[in-house]
Amino acid sequence: GAGVSQSPSNKVTEKGKDVELRCDPISGHTALYWYRQSLGQGLEFLIYFQGNSAPDKSGLPSDRFSAERTGGSVSTLTIQRTQQEDSAVYLCASSPDFLGGHFGPGTRLTVL
Amino acid sequence: RKEVEQDPGPFNVPEGATVAFNCTYSNSASQSFFWYRQDCRKEPKLLMSVYSSGNEDGRFTAQLNRASQYISLLIRDSKLSDSATYLCVVRGYNKLIFGAGTRLAVHP
Repeated sequence: GAGVSQSPSNKVTEKGKDVELRCDPISGHTALYWYRQSLGQGLEFLIYFQGNSAPDKSGLPSDRFSAERTGGSVSTLTIQRTQQEDSAVYLCASSPDFLGGHFGPGTRLTVL
Repeated sequence: RKEVEQDPGPFNVPEGATVAFNCTYSNSASQSFFWYRQDCRKEPKLLMSVYSSGNEDGRFTAQLNRASQYISLLIRDSKLSDSATYLCVVRGYNKLIFGAGTRLAVHP
């Protein structure tokens, strides 16, 4: 595909359950980012992957959050034991090296 | 102090007006600069990169002042379709750092 894709587009889960969010970046883009955005708020950085370098995990809010990027392509963000405050839109972006990022449509997560 | 600061607005302007947004950043080692646009309940979209020499894309002009750590975006001849939130973005060592955004509302 031409752009960044994310799945699922919407996810409703119960408090305490684990969720996995997927991001398929633009082919050939070496950098991949995860952000989240709560309603009416700005973008909050979560994690950044660049090529084969160790990821920058400095934005992950707690140890319940983890992410991996397999083969330098697809990335999965996992949230364990979800809490209501995890409800947000989770946005993935990819970019070639140090240029601006292109975002996917996001996954809207609702924790009941 | 936030790493990237913007006036939240809203800026309410009539069609055809010229409007300017400003942004300041705190890290003098920042390397790349961008403006994004975000429509309500949509993902941010890259509008343009910002260079020290200034750059223009149609009705949009972006400027960077490294000495003052200041970025600007000028929109000429505003259209109704320009109504959105404009995000100032700075690339530090690793990540894209987003400002909270400036909301623009263009009215007939």
